[in-house]
Amino acid sequence: DGGITQSPKYLFRKEGQNVTLSCEQNLNHDAMYWYRQDPGQGLRLIYYSQIVNDFQKGDIAEGYSVSREKKESFPLTVTSAQKNPTAFYLCASGTAGELFFGEGSRLTVL
Amino acid sequence: GQQLNQSPQSMFIQEGEDVSMNCTSSSIFNTWLWYKQDPGEGPVLLIALYKAGELTSNGRLTAQFGITRKDSFLNISASIPSDVGIYFCAGRSGGSNYKLTFGKGTLLTVNP
Repeated sequence: DGGITQSPKYLFRKEGQNVTLSCEQNLNHDAMYWYRQDPGQGLRLIYYSQIVNDFQKGDIAEGYSVSREKKESFPLTVTSAQKNPTAFYLCASGTAGELFFGEGSRLTVL
Repeated sequence: GQQLNQSPQSMFIQEGEDVSMNCTSSSIFNTWLWYKQDPGEGPVLLIALYKAGELTSNGRLTAQFGITRKDSFLNISASIPSDVGIYFCAGRSGGSNYKLTFGKGTLLTVNP
C-alpha cells in the first residue's frame, strides 16, 4: 500500500527521557514535515525537509531534532529540553502542490 | 509570519443543512488546500485549489480560491452525520518553499 506510516500510534514517556517518533513514506515525495497539534491550536510546524540530508526549522523547533538520511524516512526526536511535549504529532509528505498526512502519534509525558 | 484566519471556530447544525466556512490571509497565496480531520486521525485532503477564481467540487463539497488570492471558502451541501470533524484550510505562498500555513480549524457538529 502507498502512504505515510507513523509509529508508534501511542507513546508514554517519563519526564527527562528522549523519545523518537518514526515516519516512513513510499510515495516518492521529496518533502517531509512534522507538525504538532494541541487542542484549539491547529497545526504548528516543527521541522521540514525538502531534500535528503537537508532540513529546516519550523515555527516551534525548540526541544526537537530531526534527520533525513533517506528520502523515505524523517524521524522526529522529542528531547528532554521540550518543556511541554504531550501532544498529537503528525508527519506529512508532499510535492510542491499537495500535502498528505500520516495517522499521527500521540505522546503523553507522565 | 503568515497568518490565516479561519472562521467560524465551531458550528452546530442539523442534518440536511448546508455549511459554509472560510479562511482569510494577511498575504497572497498560490495554493489553497482544504482538509478534514476525524478524532485521533491525520487530516485527509478534500480539495486543492491552484488558480485565483477557481471553483472546485468534490461530491457535496465545493471550494473556491478567492480572486484576491487572500481568501478561500468551503461549502458542504446537505450535511450528513459523517461530516462531523475538524476542517482545516491551508495555504502556500509559492516559489520553491513547500511550507504550508494552516488555519486553526472549524469544528463541525451535525445533529441527526
